[in-house]
Amino acid sequence: GAGVSQSPRYKVAKRGQDVALRCDPISGHVSLFWYQQALGQGPEFLTYFQNEAQLDKSGLPSDRFFAERPEGSVSTLKIQRTQQEDSAVYLCASSKTGEPTYEQYFGPGTRLTVT
Amino acid sequence: GESVGLHLPTLSVQEGDNSIINCAYSNSASDYFIWYKQESGKGPQFIIDIRSNMDKRQGQRVTVLLNKTVKHLSLQIAATQPGDSAVYFCAENPPDTNAGKSTFGDGTTLTVKP
Repeated sequence: GAGVSQSPRYKVAKRGQDVALRCDPISGHVSLFWYQQALGQGPEFLTYFQNEAQLDKSGLPSDRFFAERPEGSVSTLKIQRTQQEDSAVYLCASSKTGEPTYEQYFGPGTRLTVT
Repeated sequence: GESVGLHLPTLSVQEGDNSIINCAYSNSASDYFIWYKQESGKGPQFIIDIRSNMDKRQGQRVTVLLNKTVKHLSLQIAATQPGDSAVYFCAENPPDTNAGKSTFGDGTTLTVKP
């Protein structure tokens, strides 16, 4: 069935390059989340959208990170001037409603390697 | 006093045995807890959840226990199967956080030997 998809699955960037990571949530899901997962660790919250509104971006590590969801469906996480410490798996998750509900459906992630 | 299981980064069990995975959470105000399973190359998958007004919840082959006194969660998997091999994370949510702003614990890698 159609789950959360992310592209690309793997991205190698040279330090200083900009990257854009895409998330296609489950159709009709209101809430969308981005997480960063370093190797061997649990995911860490980055930002949250309810429809097109970015309600929480407290987890974004620096102003080089920017996320958008202009039409309330597909979302893009952009990282400018990538640094080696940005190397991680970036996970996207969606959930059905905008109310506090915790059954999130995760995508497979994009593994970003900055060289 | 009551003994509390230690968090172990890895756990190896024989197929058919029961597994117990432990997690210590950090925020005494957290009121909602989730266990996730993450297989290699995939995102976390919801297994079971529990609210702080409960101390036990059962699912299919899984049971979550919550001890608020010592801020401890455990996940019990009955009759462990090779398909259960994965990394398991607990996650906690304080009250009034938006959906998804969970804090994940350290994972435990479960290996099931046939």
